[in-house]
Amino acid sequence: NAGVTQTPKFQVLKTGQSMTLQCAQDMNHNSMYWYRQDPGMGLRLIYYSASEGTTDKGEVPNGYNVSRLNKREFSLRLESAAPSQTSVYFCASSEGGENIQYFGAGTRLSVL
Amino acid sequence: QKEVEQNSGPLSVPEGAIASLNCTYSDRGSQSFFWYRQYSGKSPELIMSIYSNGDKEDGRFTAQLNKASQYVSLLIRDSQPSDSATYLCAVNMGGGAQKLVFGQGTRLTINP
Repeated sequence: NAGVTQTPKFQVLKTGQSMTLQCAQDMNHNSMYWYRQDPGMGLRLIYYSASEGTTDKGEVPNGYNVSRLNKREFSLRLESAAPSQTSVYFCASSEGGENIQYFGAGTRLSVL
Repeated sequence: QKEVEQNSGPLSVPEGAIASLNCTYSDRGSQSFFWYRQYSGKSPELIMSIYSNGDKEDGRFTAQLNKASQYVSLLIRDSQPSDSATYLCAVNMGGGAQKLVFGQGTRLTINP
C-alpha cells in the first residue's frame, strides 16, 4: 500500500519546455489535488478533481493543465514552462466529507 | 478571497515546554480544520483534525477550536526536538466544494 505516488521526484527544465507530472493513489479515493509550495508559503491549490471525469481550477491554475486519467491517476502538465513555475509540487487525495488529504512525496521542479 | 492566517515564526520553544501555534480563518461557514506537520524537504502529514468547538486531545497534541472567534490552535505538550518542523493550518471552507485552504505555516524549533 504505497498511498500517493508522484513521479518524477526532481526535474530541471529550460524555459519553454513542456512536461507532465504524474500522480497515482491506491487508496480508492474519489478526490485528487495538485498544489504548489513556494519558500515561506503554504500550499496553493492549482487544480483539483472531485471525482473521476471532473476537474476544476484552484487558486493558481494559469500555465497548467490537468487530466484525471482514471480514478487512480491525476496528471499535471506544464505546456511551456516559465521560471515562475519553479516550485515544489504536491499531489494529494482524499475521501469522504471530512476531506482529510494525504500527500505524495512531492516533485521538485526548477525552470531555468 | 477566503484566507487562513498563521504567524510564520520562527517560534522557538525549550525542550519540555508547551508550544502554542495559532491560526485564524476568514470564512464563518468553515466546518473542518486540520493541522499538518511538514519536516524540511518532506511532504505534509496530518497530525490533528477538529470539527467541533472545544478541545481535542491526541497524545501530546491538543487542538482547540473556537468558531465564534474563527480561531483554531494547536498545543504541543512536553515538546521534543523531533517536533521541530513547520506546522500548517488548513481549513475546509464552506460552499460545498471540498477544498482546503492552507495558511503559510509556522516554523517551530524546539531547543534542547
